[in-house]
Amino acid sequence: RKEVEQDPGPFNVPEGATVAFNCTYSNSASQSFFWYRQDCRKEPKLLMSVYSSGNEDGRFTAQLNRASQYISLLIRDSKLSDSATYLCVVTHYNQGGKLIFGQGTELSVKP
Amino acid sequence: NAGVTQTPKFRILKIGQSMTLQCTQDMNHNYMYWYRQDPGMGLKLIYYSVGAGITDKGEVPNGYNVSRSTTEDFPLRLELAAPSQTSVYFCASSSSGAYNEQFFGPGTRLTVL
Repeated sequence: RKEVEQDPGPFNVPEGATVAFNCTYSNSASQSFFWYRQDCRKEPKLLMSVYSSGNEDGRFTAQLNRASQYISLLIRDSKLSDSATYLCVVTHYNQGGKLIFGQGTELSVKP
Repeated sequence: NAGVTQTPKFRILKIGQSMTLQCTQDMNHNYMYWYRQDPGMGLKLIYYSVGAGITDKGEVPNGYNVSRSTTEDFPLRLELAAPSQTSVYFCASSSSGAYNEQFFGPGTRLTVL
């Protein structure tokens, strides 16, 4: 079983739609959680960190459920520019800060 | 600030050849990482370093070597290239490990034929 698993995708949605991505992690010792965004053939870039109380950044909302070992990302009012692959990432404090990546969920927003 | 830079951008190697992928960061970060990304997959950690002179293996270190003689540079060495090493290689750095954002370089696309 992979340590971090995401919805396989791809997600094809119209502009203005709301879309949600799910992610589960298997290691209960996981301590930090992030969503990274990766555009086609480019490097990953941090979208947002995920905090236990949940957090919001504009149209993006991230949630964490430690009991269920589940992370989510909600995108409201999708834009064409949101088209990318979204990577769920966890880290362990005692492992040099290395990131454990999910395989990514591809989002395509259509006009 | 250039951030994290990687060279070369593209490379084709023959089986058995060797090469070094260069990575430099100008943010004075202690932590540096090498990842590989195969098509349709997430990134996998090859090696990482928590400071000059200190390196450690990640998830997929076989066939690779690293060194960290300065804070800025973290080269990745492929000794005997194999087709299984065809991938995109990303270097990353961060200021303090798990707590902080990792900044990635633009990647090196390597093909081994």
